[in-house]
Amino acid sequence: AQSVAQPEDQVNVAEGNPLTVKCTYSVSGNPYLFWYVQYPNRGLQFLLKYITGDNLVKGSYGFEAEFNKSQTSFHLKKPSALVSDSALYFCAVSGGSNDYKLSFGAGTTVTVRA
Amino acid sequence: DAGVIQSPRHEVTEMGQEVTLRCKPISGHNSLFWYRQTMMRGLELLIYFNNNVPIDDSGMPEDRFSAKMPNASFSTLKIQPSEPRDSAVYFCATGQFSGNTIYFGEGSWLTVV
Repeated sequence: AQSVAQPEDQVNVAEGNPLTVKCTYSVSGNPYLFWYVQYPNRGLQFLLKYITGDNLVKGSYGFEAEFNKSQTSFHLKKPSALVSDSALYFCAVSGGSNDYKLSFGAGTTVTVRA
Repeated sequence: DAGVIQSPRHEVTEMGQEVTLRCKPISGHNSLFWYRQTMMRGLELLIYFNNNVPIDDSGMPEDRFSAKMPNASFSTLKIQPSEPRDSAVYFCATGQFSGNTIYFGEGSWLTVV
């Protein structure tokens, strides 16, 4: 069975500082990894994904994530956080092209203070 | 592209009433998912359709829940009878093929009193 862990319920950073949201996964085979963001009272929005290739993936709104196979991690990063980045972030994993099931983490609430 | 369209956005109903939630997928997407989000349980996959056929309904909580996808442009999630514990946000998400990105609608916020 596949699973995702987001070890931090909350992350607080000051505007302009680097932001990191952690994610580790467990899946058999080669994983497909995703990050989504949810703003208050909205649906989940796709940020970025890793399927294959370069371990550093760039996505929307200046976010990037690094796939680390040995550590089974896929941490989300942004070099300089904005107040508008305050939201709920979800990491998700599937078992590859034949796996329809996306398993989501519990989510990490990011608060960026001005 | 209009994105995944869900209706109603908000519904307040009394216990015992029937609730029908609707979803219009992104054109060309052949995979459709219904998720439920609550504070206690997070995001739960209820049911998955591929090419309009239900593939996995193991997440459907009980017989009070049913879902249909009569064609590629429309899906419904029905709760009959509704109970207060069904209060949650219900999301529809669609994608082009297995294992790849899925896109979420804005959700249907259900309150059962």
